[in-house]
Amino acid sequence: QVHLVQSGAEVKKPGASVKVSCQASGYTFTSYGISWVRQAPGQGLEWMGWISAHDGNTNYSPKIQGRVTMTTDTSTGTAYMELRSLRSDDTAVYYCARDLWLLGGDHELYYWGQGTLVTVSS
Amino acid sequence: DVVMTQSPLSLPVTLGQPASISCRSSQSLVYSDGNTYLNWFQQRPGQSPRRLIYKVSNRDSGVPDRFSGSGSGTDFTLKISRVEAEDVGVYYCMQGTHWPMTFGQGTKVEIK
Repeated sequence: QVHLVQSGAEVKKPGASVKVSCQASGYTFTSYGISWVRQAPGQGLEWMGWISAHDGNTNYSPKIQGRVTMTTDTSTGTAYMELRSLRSDDTAVYYCARDLWLLGGDHELYYWGQGTLVTVSS
Repeated sequence: DVVMTQSPLSLPVTLGQPASISCRSSQSLVYSDGNTYLNWFQQRPGQSPRRLIYKVSNRDSGVPDRFSGSGSGTDFTLKISRVEAEDVGVYYCMQGTHWPMTFGQGTKVEIK
Protein backbone atom coordinates (compact mmCIF):
# COMPACT_ATOMS: atom_id res chain seq x y z
CA GLN A 1 0.00 0.00 0.00
CA VAL A 2 0.93 3.66 -0.33
CA HIS A 3 3.04 5.18 2.44
CA LEU A 4 4.55 8.62 2.88
CA VAL A 5 7.11 8.69 5.69
CA GLN A 6 8.50 12.03 6.80
CA SER A 7 11.69 12.96 8.59
CA GLY A 8 11.78 13.70 12.30
CA ALA A 9 11.10 16.81 14.32
CA GLU A 10 13.44 19.77 14.03
CA VAL A 11 14.27 22.72 16.26
CA LYS A 12 15.76 25.71 14.48
CA LYS A 13 16.78 29.24 15.37
CA PRO A 14 15.27 32.25 13.62
CA GLY A 15 17.02 32.91 10.32
CA ALA A 16 18.07 29.30 9.85
CA SER A 17 16.86 26.84 7.22
CA VAL A 18 15.12 23.49 7.53
CA LYS A 19 14.78 20.66 5.04
CA VAL A 20 12.01 18.11 5.54
CA SER A 21 11.93 14.86 3.60
CA CYS A 22 8.99 12.69 2.53
CA GLN A 23 9.82 9.13 1.46
CA ALA A 24 7.17 7.60 -0.77
CA SER A 25 6.52 3.90 -1.30
CA GLY A 26 3.83 1.64 -2.71
CA TYR A 27 3.31 3.48 -6.00
CA THR A 28 5.18 4.78 -9.03
CA PHE A 29 6.69 7.97 -7.64
CA THR A 30 7.08 9.73 -10.98
CA SER A 31 3.40 9.26 -11.86
CA TYR A 32 2.32 11.72 -9.19
CA GLY A 33 3.19 14.96 -7.49
CA ILE A 34 3.55 16.01 -3.88
CA SER A 35 1.87 18.92 -2.16
CA TRP A 36 3.15 20.33 1.10
CA VAL A 37 0.69 21.60 3.69
CA ARG A 38 1.50 23.10 7.08
CA GLN A 39 -0.45 23.56 10.28
CA ALA A 40 0.59 26.02 12.98
CA PRO A 41 -0.17 24.95 16.57
CA GLY A 42 -3.92 24.93 17.12
CA GLN A 43 -4.54 26.41 13.68
CA GLY A 44 -5.91 25.27 10.33
CA LEU A 45 -4.30 23.89 7.20
CA GLU A 46 -2.24 26.02 4.83
CA TRP A 47 -1.11 24.84 1.39
CA MET A 48 2.53 25.71 0.77
CA GLY A 49 3.16 24.42 -2.70
CA TRP A 50 3.37 21.51 -5.11
CA ILE A 51 6.01 19.65 -7.05
CA SER A 52 5.54 17.22 -9.90
CA ALA A 53 7.66 14.11 -9.43
CA HIS A 54 7.09 13.53 -13.14
CA ASP A 55 8.99 16.55 -14.44
CA GLY A 56 10.09 18.59 -11.42
CA ASN A 57 7.71 21.48 -12.09
CA THR A 58 6.90 23.45 -8.98
CA ASN A 59 4.26 25.91 -7.87
CA TYR A 60 4.52 27.77 -4.58
CA SER A 61 2.08 29.73 -2.49
CA PRO A 62 2.78 33.46 -2.92
CA LYS A 63 2.89 33.74 0.87
CA ILE A 64 6.18 31.84 1.08
CA GLN A 65 7.53 32.02 -2.44
CA GLY A 66 11.12 33.16 -2.28
CA ARG A 67 11.79 31.27 0.96
CA VAL A 68 10.81 27.75 -0.10
CA THR A 69 12.27 25.20 -2.48
CA MET A 70 10.67 21.86 -3.23
CA THR A 71 12.64 19.10 -4.90
CA THR A 72 12.44 15.40 -5.58
CA ASP A 73 14.94 12.58 -5.84
CA THR A 74 13.36 10.10 -8.24
CA SER A 75 16.08 7.52 -7.58
CA THR A 76 14.92 7.16 -3.98
CA GLY A 77 11.29 8.24 -4.32
CA THR A 78 11.79 11.11 -1.90
CA ALA A 79 10.40 14.62 -1.91
CA TYR A 80 12.02 17.48 -0.03
CA MET A 81 10.79 20.83 1.22
CA GLU A 82 13.38 23.41 2.26
CA LEU A 83 12.26 26.57 4.04
CA ARG A 84 14.77 29.37 4.59
CA SER A 85 14.97 32.49 6.75
CA LEU A 86 12.85 30.81 9.38
CA ARG A 87 10.67 32.96 11.65
CA SER A 88 8.77 32.09 14.79
CA ASP A 89 5.51 31.98 12.83
CA ASP A 90 6.94 29.15 10.71
CA THR A 91 6.57 26.91 13.75
CA ALA A 92 4.17 24.26 12.52
CA VAL A 93 3.62 20.64 11.62
CA TYR A 94 4.58 20.19 7.98
CA TYR A 95 2.77 17.52 5.96
CA CYS A 96 3.45 16.04 2.57
CA ALA A 97 0.52 14.61 0.62
CA ARG A 98 0.37 12.79 -2.68
CA ASP A 99 -1.03 14.96 -5.44
CA LEU A 100 -1.46 14.69 -9.18
CA TRP A 101 1.57 15.03 -11.42
CA LEU A 102 0.02 17.81 -13.47
CA LEU A 103 -1.13 20.99 -11.75
CA GLY A 104 -4.76 21.77 -12.36
CA GLY A 105 -7.95 22.12 -10.39
CA ASP A 106 -7.85 18.56 -9.15
CA HIS A 107 -5.65 17.81 -6.15
CA GLU A 108 -5.62 14.24 -4.91
CA LEU A 109 -4.40 14.73 -1.32
CA TYR A 110 -5.63 11.26 -0.41
CA TYR A 111 -2.39 9.92 1.09
CA TRP A 112 -0.61 12.00 3.75
CA GLY A 113 2.63 11.73 5.65
CA GLN A 114 2.62 11.60 9.42
CA GLY A 115 3.77 15.20 9.73
CA THR A 116 7.03 16.81 10.85
CA LEU A 117 7.05 19.34 13.68
CA VAL A 118 9.37 22.24 12.99
CA THR A 119 9.92 24.54 15.96
CA VAL A 120 11.55 27.90 15.41
CA SER A 121 12.82 29.38 18.62
CA SER A 122 15.78 31.36 19.84
CA ASP B 1 -7.10 34.07 -2.86
CA VAL B 2 -10.45 32.33 -2.65
CA VAL B 3 -11.73 32.52 0.90
CA MET B 4 -13.44 29.43 2.27
CA THR B 5 -15.78 30.20 5.16
CA GLN B 6 -17.02 27.35 7.31
CA SER B 7 -19.83 27.42 9.84
CA PRO B 8 -20.21 26.67 12.59
CA LEU B 9 -16.64 26.63 13.86
CA SER B 10 -17.66 24.49 16.82
CA LEU B 11 -20.34 21.80 16.67
CA PRO B 12 -21.33 19.90 19.82
CA VAL B 13 -23.45 16.92 18.82
CA THR B 14 -25.28 14.20 20.71
CA LEU B 15 -24.27 10.67 19.75
CA GLY B 16 -26.61 9.29 17.12
CA GLN B 17 -27.82 12.72 16.06
CA PRO B 18 -27.13 14.35 12.69
CA ALA B 19 -24.56 17.07 12.08
CA SER B 20 -24.15 19.52 9.24
CA ILE B 21 -21.23 21.75 8.31
CA SER B 22 -21.48 24.58 5.81
CA CYS B 23 -18.66 25.78 3.57
CA ARG B 24 -19.00 28.87 1.42
CA SER B 25 -16.44 30.06 -1.12
CA SER B 26 -15.84 33.66 -2.17
CA GLN B 27 -15.95 32.62 -5.84
CA SER B 28 -17.63 29.87 -7.80
CA LEU B 29 -15.67 26.64 -7.64
CA VAL B 30 -16.66 25.40 -11.08
CA TYR B 31 -13.43 24.74 -12.97
CA SER B 32 -12.88 25.23 -16.69
CA ASP B 33 -13.34 21.49 -17.25
CA GLY B 34 -16.81 21.60 -15.71
CA ASN B 35 -15.82 19.89 -12.48
CA THR B 36 -16.11 21.44 -9.03
CA TYR B 37 -12.98 20.78 -7.00
CA LEU B 38 -14.28 20.93 -3.46
CA ASN B 39 -12.99 18.32 -1.01
CA TRP B 40 -13.69 17.58 2.64
CA PHE B 41 -11.10 16.38 5.13
CA GLN B 42 -11.36 14.99 8.64
CA GLN B 43 -8.55 15.47 11.13
CA ARG B 44 -8.84 13.42 14.28
CA PRO B 45 -6.86 14.62 17.32
CA GLY B 46 -3.15 14.00 16.84
CA GLN B 47 -3.57 12.59 13.33
CA SER B 48 -2.88 13.67 9.78
CA PRO B 49 -5.82 14.89 7.72
CA ARG B 50 -7.89 12.24 5.98
CA ARG B 51 -9.81 12.92 2.79
CA LEU B 52 -13.49 12.01 3.12
CA ILE B 53 -15.16 13.54 0.08
CA TYR B 54 -13.81 14.70 -3.28
CA LYS B 55 -15.43 16.76 -6.01
CA VAL B 56 -18.31 17.83 -3.76
CA SER B 57 -20.08 14.53 -3.25
CA ASN B 58 -17.84 11.54 -3.97
CA ARG B 59 -17.15 9.53 -0.85
CA ASP B 60 -13.69 8.03 -0.55
CA SER B 61 -13.10 4.32 -0.14
CA GLY B 62 -13.61 3.19 3.44
CA VAL B 63 -15.54 6.29 4.46
CA PRO B 64 -18.79 5.33 6.21
CA ASP B 65 -21.93 6.09 4.26
CA ARG B 66 -23.20 8.28 7.11
CA PHE B 67 -20.94 10.97 5.58
CA SER B 68 -22.29 12.81 2.57
CA GLY B 69 -21.34 15.93 0.64
CA SER B 70 -23.50 18.21 -1.44
CA GLY B 71 -23.65 21.65 -2.95
CA SER B 72 -22.72 23.63 -6.00
CA GLY B 73 -21.20 26.92 -7.10
CA THR B 74 -20.24 28.61 -3.85
CA ASP B 75 -22.29 26.74 -1.22
CA PHE B 76 -21.37 23.30 0.05
CA THR B 77 -22.38 21.06 2.92
CA LEU B 78 -20.94 18.06 4.72
CA LYS B 79 -23.50 15.99 6.59
CA ILE B 80 -23.09 13.22 9.11
CA SER B 81 -26.37 11.36 9.37
CA ARG B 82 -25.73 9.88 12.82
CA VAL B 83 -22.66 11.03 14.70
CA GLU B 84 -20.51 8.35 16.29
CA ALA B 85 -17.73 8.77 18.84
CA GLU B 86 -15.04 8.20 16.20
CA ASP B 87 -16.27 11.24 14.26
CA VAL B 88 -14.80 13.63 16.83
CA GLY B 89 -12.26 15.91 15.20
CA VAL B 90 -11.89 18.93 12.97
CA TYR B 91 -13.39 19.02 9.50
CA TYR B 92 -12.00 21.15 6.70
CA CYS B 93 -13.30 22.02 3.27
CA MET B 94 -10.73 22.71 0.58
CA GLN B 95 -10.95 24.17 -2.90
CA GLY B 96 -8.54 23.35 -5.70
CA THR B 97 -10.34 25.16 -8.51
CA HIS B 98 -8.52 28.46 -8.04
CA TRP B 99 -4.81 28.90 -7.41
CA PRO B 100 -3.64 28.81 -4.70
CA MET B 101 -5.51 25.94 -3.08
CA THR B 102 -7.22 27.14 0.09
CA PHE B 103 -8.84 25.53 3.12
CA GLY B 104 -11.67 26.58 5.37
CA GLN B 105 -10.89 27.48 8.99
CA GLY B 106 -12.09 24.10 10.23
CA THR B 107 -15.14 22.97 12.20
CA LYS B 108 -14.54 21.18 15.47
CA VAL B 109 -17.03 18.38 16.06
CA GLU B 110 -17.33 17.19 19.63
CA ILE B 111 -19.73 15.03 21.58
CA LYS B 112 -22.10 16.76 23.98
